[in-house]
Amino acid sequence: GAGVSQSPRYKVAKRGQDVALRCDPISGHVSLFWYQQALGQGPEFLTYFQNEAQLDKSGLPSDRFFAERPEGSVSTLKIQRTQQEDSAVYLCASSLSRDLREQYFGPGTRLTVT
Amino acid sequence: QKEVEQNSGPLSVPEGAIASLNCTYSDRGSQSFFWYRQYSGKSPELIMSIYSNGDKEDGRFTAQLNKASQYVSLLIRDSQPSDSATYLCAVKSGGDDMRFGAGTRLTVKP
Repeated sequence: GAGVSQSPRYKVAKRGQDVALRCDPISGHVSLFWYQQALGQGPEFLTYFQNEAQLDKSGLPSDRFFAERPEGSVSTLKIQRTQQEDSAVYLCASSLSRDLREQYFGPGTRLTVT
Repeated sequence: QKEVEQNSGPLSVPEGAIASLNCTYSDRGSQSFFWYRQYSGKSPELIMSIYSNGDKEDGRFTAQLNKASQYVSLLIRDSQPSDSATYLCAVKSGGDDMRFGAGTRLTVKP
């Protein structure tokens, strides 16, 4: 079946621009996660949704980062007034079960802020 | 101290050898442990999960967990060049988030 998809795959933004990154989880997956992965590092947790509820946003680095999942399926991660330090790969993952076990990752969006 | 520590490598083994990847974690309340493989420029791919002490085998892969020592490892038997990748250890405690190590880069030489 179809896996997790993300768009765009690559995004170049000028500093100060707003960007929106989209994630389509695996159909029927209740849980959805966003991660930020810098070069040479492991993914860093940003936020977590269970259906449409954002249950944990403790990893969002600043109030410029905002995520939503209004209908409990597709999710959007928005970054306002992008800064160079926001340059990274943004990964989305989904999980079937509420107990948050195995997560399946999308291909990621590589964001470059110039 | 990082919450999940891995030797960054690179770890180089000859084809056919056993590759041993190690991970330690700091949160004693951690319950679930995962190994992901990440090829360069690709997203992480789940290869093993382990939840209780001991060994869990799946094909050429064996995960080992020792909660008392806060240690989890991955053994890859009969290593192949296609196993060359970065291996990420991930740990989940009671909260919603998963903590990843920085990864160990493995190279299998033909």
